[in-house]
Amino acid sequence: NAGVMQNPRHLVRRRGQEARLRCSPMKGHSHVYWYRQLPEEGLKFMVYLQKENIIDESGMPKERFSAEFPKEGPSILRIQQVVRGDSAAYFCASSPRTGPYEAFFGQGTRLTVV
Amino acid sequence: DAKTTQPPSMDCAEGRAANLPCNHSTISGNEYVYWYRQIHSQGPQYIIHGLKNNETNEMASLIITEDRKSSTLILPHATLRDTAVYYCIVWGGATNKLIFGTGTLLAVQP
Repeated sequence: NAGVMQNPRHLVRRRGQEARLRCSPMKGHSHVYWYRQLPEEGLKFMVYLQKENIIDESGMPKERFSAEFPKEGPSILRIQQVVRGDSAAYFCASSPRTGPYEAFFGQGTRLTVV
Repeated sequence: DAKTTQPPSMDCAEGRAANLPCNHSTISGNEYVYWYRQIHSQGPQYIIHGLKNNETNEMASLIITEDRKSSTLILPHATLRDTAVYYCIVWGGATNKLIFGTGTLLAVQP
């Protein structure tokens, strides 16, 4: 059973471009969580999604950021018009049902905005 | 905000047991204690969790006090590869996601 897969592992974008980060949960997992880790800082919750639904987006910036988890395919975290402050590691985690339950993390996507 | 308090850093000699404390004095009856670790900016790794009974798996043991206000994660024989930031997290009840605090940086010394 493959773990949580995130791609790309590294992404470089110029200011103003769009970044799309993908997260394929573990097989059988229908819940996905996204976290952001700024350099030298802790993990900050962004959004919690279940298939086709956003459950909790209390950690999402109000502008430029969006997330989806369609019925088929991976979860996508989309950042429009990236700025240098978006440079960070973005991690997703998946679990088979609503918590508390073991949530397993991917290895992250490191976004660099130049 | 995180509902736990952990020391910012600890040292442990290789081969010895590492005991990482965590205070969660406001934990409610239906909330679990979870432990994760993050090795050098890799994805967080699940270690163990418990409600009120002590738990043990192949990685660690979790000791929860009877009043559930604190717990200790025990790595029985620490190795250099156990050097990481360890996070104690309360999850459940009204909290529908993992909220990470600042954790404890465990440095295993040779």
